[in-house]
Amino acid sequence: DADVTQTPRNRITKTGKRIMLECSQTKGHDRMYWYRQDPGLGLRLIYYSFDVKDINKGEISDGYSVSRQAQAKFSLSLESAIPNQTALYFCATSSPGTGAYNEQFFGPGTRLTVL
Amino acid sequence: KNQVEQSPQSLIILEGKNCTLQCNYTVSPFSNLRWYKQDTGRGPVSLTIMTFSENTKSNGRYTATLDADTKQSSLHITASQLSDSASYICVVSASNDYKLSFGAGTTVTVRA
Repeated sequence: DADVTQTPRNRITKTGKRIMLECSQTKGHDRMYWYRQDPGLGLRLIYYSFDVKDINKGEISDGYSVSRQAQAKFSLSLESAIPNQTALYFCATSSPGTGAYNEQFFGPGTRLTVL
Repeated sequence: KNQVEQSPQSLIILEGKNCTLQCNYTVSPFSNLRWYKQDTGRGPVSLTIMTFSENTKSNGRYTATLDADTKQSSLHITASQLSDSASYICVVSASNDYKLSFGAGTTVTVRA
């Protein structure tokens, strides 16, 4: 079974709709992240959470919100989806600390299309 | 601003041939550099990690090199296989920050 799972894997929605993407992990990691990936660009950080009570904005948080329901669950919401939020979204987890062992483990991604 | 540039953007090689991907970065202070492999429809998976003191690291047919002085890294794929078709992403960590700096990736297509 996958250590980091995301649901749904694909979603097509319309402009103005509210969308929630969910992420669950069984790695026991405290840190969780949401990224988006666009063609020709590197992954960009949307939000991150170091524990259930610690949530922080990343470089592109406008238009997004998150909820850390438990250590293992971190959801991303688009309150009112717009077409330029069409992208591939990844959840990732890591253990605490910087340096060589701060590997991030990624989920399989959610492909979101906003019409 | 920390940046990671990868080249080429994409390449096509014949099965069995070798190829080399490049990564230049401006991340400072440098902590480590990882190469990730991202198969279509999947999340990135770490291939290798190198810290400041390491200048080469192998993982099977994948060999990464690092020149911390020039801030350059390369990923060499030997005797390519069809399963090597993927995007390869260079990711750099700064020692004073948990955030990662991602390159845009190089898409490798291996043809029979």
